[in-house]
Amino acid sequence: KQEVTQIPAALSVPEGENLVLNCSFTDSAIYNLQWFRQDPGKGLTSLLLIQSSQREQTSGRLNASLDKSSGRSTLYIAASQPGDSATYLCAVETDSWGKLQFGAGTQVVVTP
Amino acid sequence: DGGITQSPKYLFRKEGQNVTLSCEQNLNHDAMYWYRQDPGQGLRLIYYSQIVNDFQKGDIAEGYSVSREKKESFPLTVTSAQKNPTAFYLCASSDRGRGTGELFFGEGSRLTVL
Repeated sequence: KQEVTQIPAALSVPEGENLVLNCSFTDSAIYNLQWFRQDPGKGLTSLLLIQSSQREQTSGRLNASLDKSSGRSTLYIAASQPGDSATYLCAVETDSWGKLQFGAGTQVVVTP
Repeated sequence: DGGITQSPKYLFRKEGQNVTLSCEQNLNHDAMYWYRQDPGQGLRLIYYSQIVNDFQKGDIAEGYSVSREKKESFPLTVTSAQKNPTAFYLCASSDRGRGTGELFFGEGSRLTVL
């Protein structure tokens, strides 16, 4: 069974520092990998989706890489801001039905 | 604006009662999903539906039921058989099959059993 792990569980950085969030998965047979942001008590907002044939995706200050062979993805957030404080979750799509397996998330706090 | 609407946002239930959570989308997506989120854990899939009048059990379907009579709607019923129903419930949809498969979420419904 696919397992998704996110380490660390929590992270605190000063404003302006770059954020590096890690996601690992046990089965490399994935359709895609998605990164989400969740604010307290809210739903999830999609940040980036990387198809299995891609190596990375970029959107503004966000960049996500995917290495299927090693079962890893990394989300980079450049020049962090207090507004980036949230929980970040990664999820891998494991079959053609669109079912996602989620990690437990990394809680990020950016201090002014 | 296009999106997913979940209601109610907060719900309290007495033990032994069934409750139904509403999920409506106007994104014209075929696929819809229900997830459960518990503190410190990732989301777990309850049920999913790829098309009207069809749905499949996810990883934790016991004690839950769904229907998909309309493309826009995918309500979830939490029955009295669900042993630990207090959780945050999230509905999602995607254009899987016609697009990238990106998942869009509603704002969630928090259920508390008294």
